[in-house]
Amino acid sequence: QLQLQESGPGLVKPSETLSLTCTVSGGSISSSSYYWGWIRQPPGKGLEWIGSIYYSGTTYYNPSLESRVTISVDTSKNQFSLKLSSVAAADTAIYYCASSIAVAPRYFDPWGQGTLVTVSS
Amino acid sequence: DIQMTQSPSSLSASVGDRVTITCRASQSISSYLNWYQQKPGKAPNLLIYAASSLQSGVPSRFSGSGSGTDFTLTISSLQPEDFATYYCQQSHSIPPTFGQGTKVEIK
Repeated sequence: QLQLQESGPGLVKPSETLSLTCTVSGGSISSSSYYWGWIRQPPGKGLEWIGSIYYSGTTYYNPSLESRVTISVDTSKNQFSLKLSSVAAADTAIYYCASSIAVAPRYFDPWGQGTLVTVSS
Repeated sequence: DIQMTQSPSSLSASVGDRVTITCRASQSISSYLNWYQQKPGKAPNLLIYAASSLQSGVPSRFSGSGSGTDFTLTISSLQPEDFATYYCQQSHSIPPTFGQGTKVEIK
C-alpha cells in the first residue's frame, strides 16, 4: 500500500526558493500506474493543485504557478521534489504530496500528511 | 480553468440527519468528479471517485451522483465522525480544480 511523506524546511524567506521532497514507500515511483503530484492549502482555505510528474519525467503544471515551479523525480531514492521560486507571503500553505492513477478518473489517493511552509523574514 | 462551486459553504446538522452537498462545474466534466473528506489537521481523504464510485473502505452511507455539470454527495445518516469539510474536485481537464469546500458542523 502506497504511503507518501513530505519533508523540507518549514520556514522560507521572501524571494527565496521553497524546496520540498516527497518520499514514496510501499511501491515504486517508476511505476507506469501513477502520477506524482503536489497540492497546497493556505491556512483555513481551499486546495490548489501545483503540478504533477510521471516517472518518465513528463510534467504538468498549474498555469497560475508554472513560471515559478519545477517538479522532478529521483527514481534511485524513490522520491519526487518540488521547487517554488521567488516565494512571497501568499505562498504560505500546507503542502501535500499525493499520487494519482495514470488513467481516468485520476483522483488523488493517497496523500501525504502535509507539511506547513511559512514564508517570512 | 474549470471552476467548481459547492453549496452550501457550511451547514449544521444532527447525528442521524441526511445531508446533501452539491457541486457545480463551469462546463461539462462528464463523470470526472471526485469527493474528499478533510478533518482538522489531516490530509484530505478520498471518498467517491468518478462521481458515484465508493472508494474502498469508505462507509456505504456515503454516495455520489451526477454527470455533466451538476453533482451531489449524500450522507444518508450523519455520524459523529462525519463532521468535517468536504471538497469536490474535477479530473476532466488540466489543471485539476477543487471546490471551495463545505464544512459540516454539529447542530
